[in-house]
Amino acid sequence: AQSVSQHNHHVILSEAASLELGCNYSYGGTVNLFWYVQYPGQHLQLLLKYFSGDPLVKGIKGFEAEFIKSKFSFNLRKPSVQWSDTAEYFCAVRGAGSNYQLIWGAGTKLIIKP
Amino acid sequence: DTAVSQTPKYLVTQMGNDKSIKCEQNLGHDTMYWYKQDSKKFLKIMFSYNNKELIINETVPNRFSPKSPDKAHLNLHINSLELGDSAVYFCASSHLQGTGELFFGEGSRLTVL
Repeated sequence: AQSVSQHNHHVILSEAASLELGCNYSYGGTVNLFWYVQYPGQHLQLLLKYFSGDPLVKGIKGFEAEFIKSKFSFNLRKPSVQWSDTAEYFCAVRGAGSNYQLIWGAGTKLIIKP
Repeated sequence: DTAVSQTPKYLVTQMGNDKSIKCEQNLGHDTMYWYKQDSKKFLKIMFSYNNKELIINETVPNRFSPKSPDKAHLNLHINSLELGDSAVYFCASSHLQGTGELFFGEGSRLTVL
């Protein structure tokens, strides 16, 4: 069965620190990959997505993610975080031929100390 | 114009009551979803409809019944509410065979007392 693993449930950083949130998935075929963000008290919004082409994907608010097929990973990065990045971050994967269903990670709560 | 709108945003009710949450999308998508997000922020898919047909029906108590009168609307009715039903319920929509990107509503926070 497909699954998505987000390694860190909680991450606490100071402003200006660099961020990397891990996401690994289990699916042997072609995948579509997503990172969503949920700010406190709000709904989920798309940060970035990967379908094909350049494995380094740039998203909104200075976020980027790199798809490494050999490692089944799609880690989210930001070189310098801000207090406003405090949020819950979700990785999601959709396998081709999987009835189009998104498989979600458990989320990573990111807290940025001012 | 809100793309995916849910009503009500907040619901506080007693155990045993019946309640409904409504969802509408104006994005022209053909697929709509209900997700439950618990207090630990874990997202669980409950149902999905494509052009008014049920395509995903996860292990959810029979007390939960979705209804899609047309492809722009997906409602969720919950009978005999229990304490464990307290959560935030998110509606979402997408093109089934498109990019797969989901557009979420703002959520409906249900509190069962």
